[in-house]
Amino acid sequence: RKEVEQDPGPFNVPEGATVAFNCTYSNSASQSFFWYRQDCRKEPKLLMSVYSSGNEDGRFTAQLNRASQYISLLIRDSKLSDSATYLCVAFTGFQKLVFGTGTRLLVSP
Amino acid sequence: GAVVSQHPSRVICKSGTSVKIECRSLDFQATTMFWYRQFPKQSLMLMATSNEGSKATYEQGVEKDKFLINHASLTLSTLTVTSAHPEDSSFYICSARSLAGDISYNEQFFGPGTRLTVL
Repeated sequence: RKEVEQDPGPFNVPEGATVAFNCTYSNSASQSFFWYRQDCRKEPKLLMSVYSSGNEDGRFTAQLNRASQYISLLIRDSKLSDSATYLCVAFTGFQKLVFGTGTRLLVSP
Repeated sequence: GAVVSQHPSRVICKSGTSVKIECRSLDFQATTMFWYRQFPKQSLMLMATSNEGSKATYEQGVEKDKFLINHASLTLSTLTVTSAHPEDSSFYICSARSLAGDISYNEQFFGPGTRLTVL
């Protein structure tokens, strides 16, 4: 079983739609969680951290449920520029980041 | 934000040759740098953790004699793929953690990646 699992998608949505991605992790000792965005053939870039209390950054909302070992990312009012692969990432300690395979989002006009 | 560069961005080489990839932190000092590999449609996989002035720590299944890592200064780490074969073709990405970074929060800054193609 992969340490961080995501639905690979792709998710095809029209502009303006709301889309949600889910992620599960298996290592209960994981300390911190993040969502990264990766464009095709580019390096991943930090989108936001994920907290149990939930956090929001503009159109993006992230949520962590430690009891269920589940992480979510909600994107409201999707833009064409949101098209990318979204990586769920766990920090397991020992300075290591563990990446999920990513969920691909395609926003169409 | 902190900037990490990689060189070259793209390399094509013949099977059996060695390829060196450089990773530099441009505006901060990095005690720790990480090397990842990403195959198409797969996740980034950590290959090794490189600490300045000491030997790299390799992940299980990564051959240390094939993937030579040198972290000679606080701003430079190099990965050398020795005797490259077609199956080594991949996207290699480095990241760096700032000297001033809170160890409890692993903020890593990623380089733009190097695409290696072995013919």
